[in-house]
Amino acid sequence: AQKVTQAQTEISVVEKEDVTLDCVYETRDTTYYLFWYKQPPSGELVFLIRRNSFDEQNEISGRYSWNFQKSTSSFNFTITASQVVDSAVYFCALSEAPGSGTYKYIFGTGTRLKVLA
Amino acid sequence: DTGVSQDPRHKITKRGQNVTFRCDPISEHNRLYWYRQTLGQGPEFLTYFQNEAQLEKSRLLSDRFSAERPKGSFSTLEIQRTEQGDSAMYLCASSPTGTSGGASTDTQYFGPGTRLTVL
Repeated sequence: AQKVTQAQTEISVVEKEDVTLDCVYETRDTTYYLFWYKQPPSGELVFLIRRNSFDEQNEISGRYSWNFQKSTSSFNFTITASQVVDSAVYFCALSEAPGSGTYKYIFGTGTRLKVLA
Repeated sequence: DTGVSQDPRHKITKRGQNVTFRCDPISEHNRLYWYRQTLGQGPEFLTYFQNEAQLEKSRLLSDRFSAERPKGSFSTLEIQRTEQGDSAMYLCASSPTGTSGGASTDTQYFGPGTRLTVL
């Protein structure tokens, strides 16, 4: 069965600190997709990144970077020089390849990030 | 605004009443999903439509829940005889078939959700 674990329930950092959010996943599929979403207090899930299982290249987008390691089934998310506006709940999600017939996401329980001024 | 919209944003109801939520997906997206999110948890999949066809339902979707997408555009989620355990955020998401406007089939775009409180 598919599973996503975000062991960090809540993290507090001071502004400008770097912070890494951990995500560990389980799947029997060889083709799958991983995602990160941000959920600010307003409640809407905001898409951040999609990564397929064949692409292990790390990605950087501004202050955000992602480290995908199939060997450890991890897809970690780092925010560099955090800002107060980064305060939100961050979710990691897993979906199977479309060929399996299902497109649903399996979400982790989320990590609440608090960035203090 | 070209994002996913949901209505209402908040609903307070008494136990036993029926409620209906509406979701309008991004216009060129023909896949639509419903999820439920309770406090402190991640969203859990409820059901999925491709155009007007409901192709998958979770075991979470009890007999009191029904979802429709009659013309392949907007969708409704109805809960009959609400219970206090139904209190949650109900999220709708959409995705395209293939690639559309830079978005791929695999990426779901979420609406703001409908927060249901059952008293």
